[in-house]
Amino acid sequence: DGGITQSPKYLFRKEGQNVTLSCEQNLNHDAMYWYRQDPGQGLRLIYYSQIVNDFQKGDIAEGYSVSREKKESFPLTVTSAQKNPTAFYLCASTPTQGIYGYTFGSGTRLTVV
Amino acid sequence: QQQVKQSPQSLIVQKGGISIINCAYENTAFDYFPWYQQFPGKGPALLIAIRPDVSEKKEGRFTISFNKSAKQFSLHIMDSQPGDSATYFCAALDSVSGLTFGKGTHLIIQP
Repeated sequence: DGGITQSPKYLFRKEGQNVTLSCEQNLNHDAMYWYRQDPGQGLRLIYYSQIVNDFQKGDIAEGYSVSREKKESFPLTVTSAQKNPTAFYLCASTPTQGIYGYTFGSGTRLTVV
Repeated sequence: QQQVKQSPQSLIVQKGGISIINCAYENTAFDYFPWYQQFPGKGPALLIAIRPDVSEKKEGRFTISFNKSAKQFSLHIMDSQPGDSATYFCAALDSVSGLTFGKGTHLIIQP
């Protein structure tokens, strides 16, 4: 079955630590996205990538970093510079940028302890 | 600047009733308007979508009404069922900035 796999489902981080969230897709999609979801805030775009080795900042990129070394993979690192990292993180992909047909993963819930 | 405004934030409907969620947008470059359904702990899933050249689209119990001149669109859920209880997001897409989401509506269908 084609889809997006996010891992882990739950992640706990101590203050001051960096953590990396995994996102893998087998849909052969070119574009991938990271969103952050907070209660009552909807989904806000963190970073997106249209092709391998290229990515752009979204609306709330501060304190986050990404890489796109492979078409299938788009990991997100939440750095210690992110002041309020506790949230639900969602990865998505589309065949190409700006094209409808967004497929979402099941998310990773990050909690700072 | 919130480009897609969604209301209400929460909604309680009796089983069998009609659930109505409204969205308004500002950017006239948007050319695709999907609705997503999200259950707790899961990612959003596409429910139904409409292009601006159509005023209404119906799929089963779900209908989108679209008013291009008012820059508004809405989701109607007919004969609402407890299994419809979820968070619903409207969204709007343009080819440059991608998908912009509303803040979501938490829908509860009471049996």
